[in-house]
Amino acid sequence: QSALTQPASVSGSPGQSITISCTGTTNDVGGYNYVSWYQQHPDKAPKLVIYDVNYRPSGVSSRFSGSKSGNTASLTISGLQAEDEADYYCSSYTNDNTLEVFGGGTKLTVL
Amino acid sequence: EVQVLESGGGLVQPGGSLRLSCAASGFTFSSYAMSWVRQAPGKGLEWVSGISGSGGTTHYADSVRGRFIISRDNSKNTLYLQMNSLRAEDTAVYHCAKPTSGFTSQDYWGQGTLVTVSS
Repeated sequence: QSALTQPASVSGSPGQSITISCTGTTNDVGGYNYVSWYQQHPDKAPKLVIYDVNYRPSGVSSRFSGSKSGNTASLTISGLQAEDEADYYCSSYTNDNTLEVFGGGTKLTVL
Repeated sequence: EVQVLESGGGLVQPGGSLRLSCAASGFTFSSYAMSWVRQAPGKGLEWVSGISGSGGTTHYADSVRGRFIISRDNSKNTLYLQMNSLRAEDTAVYHCAKPTSGFTSQDYWGQGTLVTVSS
Protein backbone atom coordinates (compact mmCIF):
# COMPACT_ATOMS: atom_id res chain seq x y z
CA GLN A 1 0.00 0.00 0.00
CA SER A 2 1.27 3.53 -0.77
CA ALA A 3 1.76 6.08 1.94
CA LEU A 4 -0.29 9.24 1.91
CA THR A 5 1.54 12.28 0.48
CA GLN A 6 2.54 15.14 2.76
CA PRO A 7 4.96 18.03 2.22
CA ALA A 8 8.32 17.32 3.82
CA SER A 9 8.39 20.61 5.66
CA VAL A 10 6.43 23.76 6.41
CA SER A 11 7.31 26.80 8.46
CA GLY A 12 5.68 29.82 9.98
CA SER A 13 6.24 32.62 12.45
CA PRO A 14 4.64 32.79 15.88
CA GLY A 15 1.05 33.95 15.65
CA GLN A 16 0.67 32.95 12.02
CA SER A 17 -1.43 30.08 10.64
CA ILE A 18 -0.09 27.16 8.66
CA THR A 19 -1.76 24.34 6.75
CA ILE A 20 -0.38 20.86 6.10
CA SER A 21 -1.89 18.82 3.29
CA CYS A 22 -2.33 15.07 3.06
CA THR A 23 -3.21 13.55 -0.30
CA GLY A 24 -4.48 10.04 -0.81
CA THR A 25 -6.92 8.29 -3.09
CA THR A 26 -10.57 7.30 -3.19
CA ASN A 27 -9.52 4.10 -1.40
CA ASP A 28 -8.53 5.99 1.71
CA VAL A 29 -8.74 9.77 2.32
CA GLY A 30 -11.33 10.44 -0.36
CA GLY A 31 -13.54 7.50 0.45
CA TYR A 32 -13.91 7.72 4.21
CA ASN A 33 -14.12 10.32 6.96
CA TYR A 34 -11.50 8.52 9.03
CA VAL A 35 -8.55 10.86 8.68
CA SER A 36 -6.40 11.48 11.74
CA TRP A 37 -3.50 13.81 12.48
CA TYR A 38 -0.69 13.16 14.95
CA GLN A 39 1.90 15.46 16.48
CA GLN A 40 5.27 13.98 17.42
CA HIS A 41 8.01 15.79 19.30
CA PRO A 42 11.56 14.35 19.18
CA ASP A 43 11.92 11.08 21.07
CA LYS A 44 8.29 11.17 22.15
CA ALA A 45 5.31 9.01 21.28
CA PRO A 46 2.86 10.45 18.75
CA LYS A 47 -0.10 12.43 20.08
CA LEU A 48 -3.49 12.44 18.40
CA VAL A 49 -4.59 16.01 17.62
CA ILE A 50 -7.41 15.44 15.09
CA TYR A 51 -9.56 12.39 14.33
CA ASP A 52 -12.41 11.64 11.95
CA VAL A 53 -11.29 14.56 9.73
CA ASN A 54 -12.21 17.41 12.06
CA TYR A 55 -12.72 16.26 15.65
CA ARG A 56 -10.36 17.27 18.44
CA PRO A 57 -9.66 14.90 21.34
CA SER A 58 -10.24 16.29 24.79
CA GLY A 59 -7.38 18.52 25.88
CA VAL A 60 -6.18 19.42 22.39
CA SER A 61 -6.02 23.16 21.69
CA SER A 62 -8.75 24.69 19.51
CA ARG A 63 -5.92 26.16 17.44
CA PHE A 64 -5.80 22.78 15.70
CA SER A 65 -8.45 22.10 13.06
CA GLY A 66 -8.92 19.62 10.25
CA SER A 67 -10.78 19.50 6.95
CA LYS A 68 -11.07 17.44 3.80
CA SER A 69 -11.83 18.07 0.15
CA GLY A 70 -11.86 15.17 -2.27
CA ASN A 71 -8.75 13.06 -1.81
CA THR A 72 -6.89 15.70 0.20
CA ALA A 73 -7.13 16.32 3.91
CA SER A 74 -5.64 19.33 5.68
CA LEU A 75 -4.48 20.24 9.17
CA THR A 76 -4.49 23.92 10.07
CA ILE A 77 -2.71 25.31 13.10
CA SER A 78 -3.63 28.89 13.93
CA GLY A 79 -1.84 31.27 16.28
CA LEU A 80 1.39 29.33 15.86
CA GLN A 81 3.40 28.82 19.03
CA ALA A 82 6.95 27.64 19.60
CA GLU A 83 5.66 24.44 21.24
CA ASP A 84 3.93 23.51 17.96
CA GLU A 85 7.31 22.80 16.37
CA ALA A 86 7.18 19.05 15.75
CA ASP A 87 6.62 16.39 13.12
CA TYR A 88 3.03 15.92 11.97
CA TYR A 89 1.62 12.76 10.43
CA CYS A 90 -1.73 12.15 8.79
CA SER A 91 -3.35 8.74 8.61
CA SER A 92 -6.46 7.29 7.07
CA TYR A 93 -8.51 4.15 7.09
CA THR A 94 -7.94 2.27 3.85
CA ASN A 95 -10.09 -0.33 2.15
CA ASP A 96 -7.28 -2.50 0.81
CA ASN A 97 -6.00 -5.57 2.67
CA THR A 98 -4.47 -3.40 5.35
CA LEU A 99 -6.34 -1.11 7.68
CA GLU A 100 -4.56 2.16 8.21
CA VAL A 101 -2.05 4.08 6.12
CA PHE A 102 0.16 6.95 7.28
CA GLY A 103 1.59 9.92 5.47
CA GLY A 104 5.34 10.39 5.25
CA GLY A 105 5.30 13.17 7.84
CA THR A 106 5.80 16.95 7.77
CA LYS A 107 8.35 18.80 9.85
CA LEU A 108 6.91 22.06 11.17
CA THR A 109 9.43 24.75 12.01
CA VAL A 110 8.35 27.78 14.01
CA LEU A 111 10.64 30.61 12.92
CA GLU B 1 -5.58 6.69 33.65
CA VAL B 2 -5.08 4.87 30.37
CA GLN B 3 -1.65 3.30 30.04
CA VAL B 4 -0.05 0.98 27.52
CA LEU B 5 3.44 -0.36 28.12
CA GLU B 6 5.43 -2.32 25.56
CA SER B 7 8.19 -4.83 26.29
CA GLY B 8 10.15 -7.56 24.58
CA GLY B 9 12.32 -5.62 22.17
CA GLY B 10 16.00 -6.29 21.67
CA LEU B 11 18.72 -7.33 19.26
CA VAL B 12 17.99 -10.30 17.01
CA GLN B 13 19.76 -11.79 14.01
CA PRO B 14 18.21 -11.75 10.54
CA GLY B 15 15.84 -14.67 10.20
CA GLY B 16 15.23 -14.78 13.93
CA SER B 17 12.07 -14.32 15.98
CA LEU B 18 10.91 -12.03 18.75
CA ARG B 19 7.69 -11.63 20.70
CA LEU B 20 6.53 -8.20 21.80
CA SER B 21 4.02 -7.62 24.58
CA CYS B 22 1.87 -4.63 25.48
CA ALA B 23 0.30 -4.41 28.93
CA ALA B 24 -2.79 -2.19 29.00
CA SER B 25 -4.61 -0.60 31.93
CA GLY B 26 -7.13 2.10 32.70
CA PHE B 27 -9.78 1.04 30.19
CA THR B 28 -11.93 -1.97 29.30
CA PHE B 29 -9.33 -3.73 27.18
CA SER B 30 -11.66 -6.22 25.53
CA SER B 31 -13.89 -3.42 24.23
CA TYR B 32 -11.23 -1.92 21.99
CA ALA B 33 -9.31 -2.97 18.94
CA MET B 34 -5.57 -2.49 19.31
CA SER B 35 -2.76 -1.81 16.87
CA TRP B 36 0.99 -1.99 16.48
CA VAL B 37 2.69 0.94 14.73
CA ARG B 38 6.42 1.09 14.09
CA GLN B 39 8.95 3.81 13.35
CA ALA B 40 12.34 3.03 11.85
CA PRO B 41 15.20 5.24 13.07
CA GLY B 42 14.83 8.72 11.58
CA LYS B 43 11.81 7.65 9.52
CA GLY B 44 8.04 8.06 9.61
CA LEU B 45 5.26 6.06 11.18
CA GLU B 46 4.16 2.76 9.64
CA TRP B 47 1.04 0.90 10.70
CA VAL B 48 1.94 -2.77 11.18
CA SER B 49 -1.05 -4.73 12.45
CA GLY B 50 -4.42 -4.45 14.17
CA ILE B 51 -6.74 -6.78 16.03
CA SER B 52 -10.39 -6.51 17.06
CA GLY B 53 -11.47 -6.41 20.68
CA SER B 54 -12.48 -10.06 20.67
CA GLY B 55 -9.36 -11.10 18.80
CA GLY B 56 -11.42 -12.64 16.03
CA THR B 57 -10.36 -10.19 13.31
CA THR B 58 -6.79 -9.33 12.42
CA HIS B 59 -5.19 -7.10 9.80
CA TYR B 60 -1.59 -6.77 8.61
CA ALA B 61 0.51 -4.43 6.51
CA ASP B 62 1.74 -6.03 3.29
CA SER B 63 5.32 -5.68 4.56
CA VAL B 64 4.74 -8.08 7.47
CA ARG B 65 1.88 -10.32 6.35
CA GLY B 66 2.85 -13.96 6.63
CA ARG B 67 5.73 -13.21 9.03
CA PHE B 68 4.09 -11.41 11.97
CA ILE B 69 1.15 -12.60 14.08
CA ILE B 70 -0.90 -10.30 16.29
CA SER B 71 -2.86 -11.73 19.21
CA ARG B 72 -4.32 -10.69 22.54
CA ASP B 73 -5.20 -12.18 25.92
CA ASN B 74 -8.17 -10.23 27.26
CA SER B 75 -7.93 -12.02 30.62
CA LYS B 76 -4.46 -10.48 31.05
CA ASN B 77 -5.17 -7.15 29.31
CA THR B 78 -2.19 -7.86 27.08
CA LEU B 79 -1.52 -7.46 23.36
CA TYR B 80 1.18 -9.45 21.56
CA LEU B 81 3.13 -9.32 18.33
CA GLN B 82 4.98 -12.48 17.31
CA MET B 83 7.62 -11.50 14.77
CA ASN B 84 9.22 -14.26 12.68
CA SER B 85 11.69 -14.29 9.78
CA LEU B 86 12.92 -10.88 10.85
CA ARG B 87 14.74 -8.68 8.35
CA ALA B 88 17.02 -5.67 8.71
CA GLU B 89 14.18 -3.46 7.48
CA ASP B 90 12.08 -4.49 10.48
CA THR B 91 14.44 -2.52 12.72
CA ALA B 92 12.27 0.09 14.43
CA VAL B 93 10.62 1.27 17.60
CA TYR B 94 7.35 -0.65 17.92
CA HIS B 95 4.46 1.19 19.55
CA CYS B 96 1.29 -0.33 20.92
CA ALA B 97 -1.72 1.94 20.38
CA LYS B 98 -5.37 2.13 21.40
CA PRO B 99 -7.95 3.73 19.07
CA THR B 100 -10.66 6.21 19.99
CA SER B 101 -13.10 3.72 18.48
CA GLY B 102 -13.05 1.25 15.62
CA PHE B 103 -9.56 0.41 14.43
CA THR B 104 -8.03 3.77 13.52
CA SER B 105 -7.39 7.13 15.23
CA GLN B 106 -4.99 5.99 17.96
CA ASP B 107 -5.53 8.15 21.04
CA TYR B 108 -3.16 6.39 23.43
CA TRP B 109 0.34 5.26 22.57
CA GLY B 110 3.07 3.52 24.52
CA GLN B 111 6.62 4.84 24.49
CA GLY B 112 7.63 1.90 22.33
CA THR B 113 10.15 -0.92 22.40
CA LEU B 114 13.18 -0.99 20.10
CA VAL B 115 13.73 -3.98 17.84
CA THR B 116 17.10 -4.18 16.12
CA VAL B 117 17.67 -6.81 13.46
CA SER B 118 21.36 -7.18 12.77
CA SER B 119 24.08 -9.79 12.57
